[in-house]
Amino acid sequence: NAGVTQTPKFQVLKTGQSMTLQCAQDMNHEYMSWYRQDPGMGLRLIHYSVGAGITDQGEVPNGYNVSRSTTEDFPLRLLSAAPSQTSVYFCASSWGREPMNTEAFFGQGTRLTVV
Amino acid sequence: QQQVKQSPQSLIVQKGGISIINCAYENTAFDYFPWYQQFPGKGPALLIAIRPDVSEKKEGRFTISFNKSAKQFSLHIMDSQPGDSATYFCAASMRWGKAAGNKLTFGGGTRVLVKP
Repeated sequence: NAGVTQTPKFQVLKTGQSMTLQCAQDMNHEYMSWYRQDPGMGLRLIHYSVGAGITDQGEVPNGYNVSRSTTEDFPLRLLSAAPSQTSVYFCASSWGREPMNTEAFFGQGTRLTVV
Repeated sequence: QQQVKQSPQSLIVQKGGISIINCAYENTAFDYFPWYQQFPGKGPALLIAIRPDVSEKKEGRFTISFNKSAKQFSLHIMDSQPGDSATYFCAASMRWGKAAGNKLTFGGGTRVLVKP
């Protein structure tokens, strides 16, 4: 039982390049989400999904796309990388039953640097 | 604007001492308040959580105090140990409805260092 797996762990991109951050969970969780972590700002929600085929925007969605074709996978796409997207990215998953007070499990993170 | 404000940004405490971290929120629709602990190079992990129908929750050396009228909650770490050195995040979310789904709003984090 691996939990939430993110790849890659580290990535350096040039401005304007695109890439996909991968996230997979093996806990059959319905809810998955992407956060970015910046110093002093905690974690901010980028996009989230409440089930396969359903996604929505979080607090800071600009410059990112997501899709959810399976329960297990929730990739995050950077369309045209900018230095402002330099950050640590975390994927999380949790059960999808109301009331939503169940634990969110986080991956180990992807440290992205855009030069 | 940050909907959950956390203080202090950093904290140094002696082994055996008490660490206190405070958070304040604005959105009265929040009704679930977890605390996450993060070690360097790792993802956050749930430490303890509280709902607003109780004023205090204790799990081992960790206690959450909750003041609904003041829209504030705090984490107390009793008998702090060097292994508690980590970054702590408070968070808030809604448990019901379309806006739910464990969409967590985080505070800015507190880096705690416990000196031996």
